[in-house]
Amino acid sequence: SQTIHQWPATLVQPVGSPLSLECTVEGTSNPNLYWYRQAAGRGLQLLFYSIGIGQISSEVPQNLSASRPQDRQFILSSKKLLLSDSGFYLCAWSLGHLNYGYTFGSGTRLTVV
Amino acid sequence: AQSVSQHNHHVILSEAASLELGCNYSYGGTVNLFWYVQYPGQHLQLLLKYFSGDPLVKGIKGFEAEFIKSKFSFNLRKPSVQWSDTAEYFCASTGGGNKLTFGTGTQLKVEL
Repeated sequence: SQTIHQWPATLVQPVGSPLSLECTVEGTSNPNLYWYRQAAGRGLQLLFYSIGIGQISSEVPQNLSASRPQDRQFILSSKKLLLSDSGFYLCAWSLGHLNYGYTFGSGTRLTVV
Repeated sequence: AQSVSQHNHHVILSEAASLELGCNYSYGGTVNLFWYVQYPGQHLQLLLKYFSGDPLVKGIKGFEAEFIKSKFSFNLRKPSVQWSDTAEYFCASTGGGNKLTFGTGTQLKVEL
C-alpha cells in the first residue's frame, strides 16, 4: 500500500535561517506531488506541484522554492525565512488522473521567530 | 481560474441534528469532486469523492454528497451528526489540470 511521510512534525526557526522540509512517498511510481500551506480561515493554498522529476510548477510567488530530486521525494526550501512563512505545511500525492484525489501527509507546523 | 466556494465558515449543531454544508465550484467542464475532513490534531482525510455515475455519493461515517451539475454544487449531508463529527470540512474540485482546488473550509462544532 502507498504511504506518505513528511517531516519534521514541528519546527521552530529564527528569521533569516534556511528551511528544508522533506516529503517522501512509498508504494507508487511517478506520483504527482504537492506542497500546500494551510492557514486558519484561508483553507489550503497550493504552493508548488510536480508531475515528474525536476518538473516544478509554482503557484504563488513567495520566499519558498521546491525541488524533486527523485521520483518519490519532494522538498520545500527557503534560503532565508520570514516571519510570514510561519504556518502549517502539507505534502500530498496523487495519481495523474486525480480520480482518487490526494493523500495528505501529516503536516509540518513551522514557527518562524 | 477555477474556484470552489464554501459559504458556511462556521457551523454549530446539537447532536442528532441534520447537517448540510454547501459547496459550489466554477469549472464548466468535467470535474471530479471531493470532500475532505480534518479532525482536531489529525491530518486531512478523504471523506468521499465523485467522478462519474450516480450523483449521490456515500462516504465514510454516514456522510453523503449530491452532485448537481446544473447548480455547480456538491453539498455534503449527514442526517444525524455526532459529537465526534466536530472537525473542519473541505470541498475540492479538479478543473482540467493536475491539481485540486480547495474551498476555504467549514468548521463544524457539534455540541452535546
